[in-house]
Parts: sequence; structure tokens; C-alpha cells
Amino acid sequence: GQQVQQSPTSLVLQEGENAELQCNFSTSLNSMQWFYQRPGGSLISVFYNPSGTKQSGRLTSTTVIKERRSSLHISSSQITDSGTYLCAISSGSWQLIFGSGTQLTVMP
Amino acid sequence: DTTVKQNPRYKLARVGKPVNLICSQTMNHDTMYWYQKKPNQAPKLLLFYYDKILNREADTFEKFQSSRPNNSFCSLYIGSAGLEYSAMYLCASSRDGGRSAETLYFGSGTRLTVL
Repeated sequence: GQQVQQSPTSLVLQEGENAELQCNFSTSLNSMQWFYQRPGGSLISVFYNPSGTKQSGRLTSTTVIKERRSSLHISSSQITDSGTYLCAISSGSWQLIFGSGTQLTVMP
Repeated sequence: DTTVKQNPRYKLARVGKPVNLICSQTMNHDTMYWYQKKPNQAPKLLLFYYDKILNREADTFEKFQSSRPNNSFCSLYIGSAGLEYSAMYLCASSRDGGRSAETLYFGSGTRLTVL
């Protein structure tokens, strides 16, 4: 089965609303990363967070290893937050295993 | 310059014809990767070079070739394109053989359409 599962598949918000993206993994991990891709843009690493909570501006990532999950919280969403958010883990070897992504659309 | 450059941005190919995609980085990274991404699917690792050593995934071993003539440059070669090869191809690079996953940098991708 799929080792990394993301939910929801897509999310539509009004500007100013908060977003909660989930990543569940079925194996132990060495690393956990969240990536963001603007339409037509590169995948950009937004968080490297193998455990605990990290915050950067309006973004907060929390990884709970015991529960095999990580979340990405976006507060006060903006139109420019629209895009695809991918989580990826490495387990055993250091190669990244990606989820299928969450497509976020923030409307004005 | 922390960018990974990919050329071309869009590529159209005919079934049965070869395809060559190009990637470059100037960060002196020792590892370069090629991923394939199809709509609503996770990026799938095809192969990677650690220095001069090529590692190919078992299920894509015979479908993709690659070369890395120098540290900065890496190509992805498809000998005979099939319709199933239509996808976005993402190049990435990292230092320390990828052990520092936080230093993985991606290019903007090449969208390949096979007709």
C-alpha cells in the first residue's frame, strides 16, 4: 500500500481562513519534509521537520512520530498560498517517498 | 545561485522516438535525481547519481537512462517514448549524498507530452 498518504486531496478556502493539511505515513522515518509548489514553479522545501513543532511565519508544522503523522497548518491564508503542498519522508535509506499532495486554492 | 535549471520547459515527442531531458546545478551538489510526476500522483524516483555512480530504481531500470558528464550536469534519456511516459519530469540535487534531506533542491520541471 501507499506509504505516505495526504489529506485532503484538495482544499478551497476563503482568504483569511486557516488550513490544516495532513500527512500520514505507514513506516518509521528518518526525515519528514513539506514542499510547496506554485503552479508552474519548482518544488520548494518549506519545512524539514522529523519531529516536534516548527513555525515559520504563518506556517506551522507538527510531526508526531509515535502516531506516524505530520500536519501543516496555514493561518490566515492568502491568495498567494495557493498551490500544491507535498509531504515526503525518508525511511531506512535516505531516499524521499512522496505523498500525492494537497491542492490548495485560496479565493478572494 | 541555488537554482536547479531544467530544459526544455515543455517537450513534445512522438511514440517510438527518443527523448533527452537536461538538468544543471551550480551548487556543487554531489547527488542529482530524476523524478516522474503524473497528475494526482506522488513524484516517483526514477534514478539518481551519487557523484559518478548511477542508481536506478528496479521497476524503471530498463526504461530510463542517464548520464552525468560532470558535477553540474545530468540528463535523462528515454530511448523509445511511449504514451505512458507523458508526465512532468523533475530534477533535484542535494549535498552529502542526500543524507541531509533538508538540502534537496528541485528544478521547475519539464512537461513531456508523447503523441
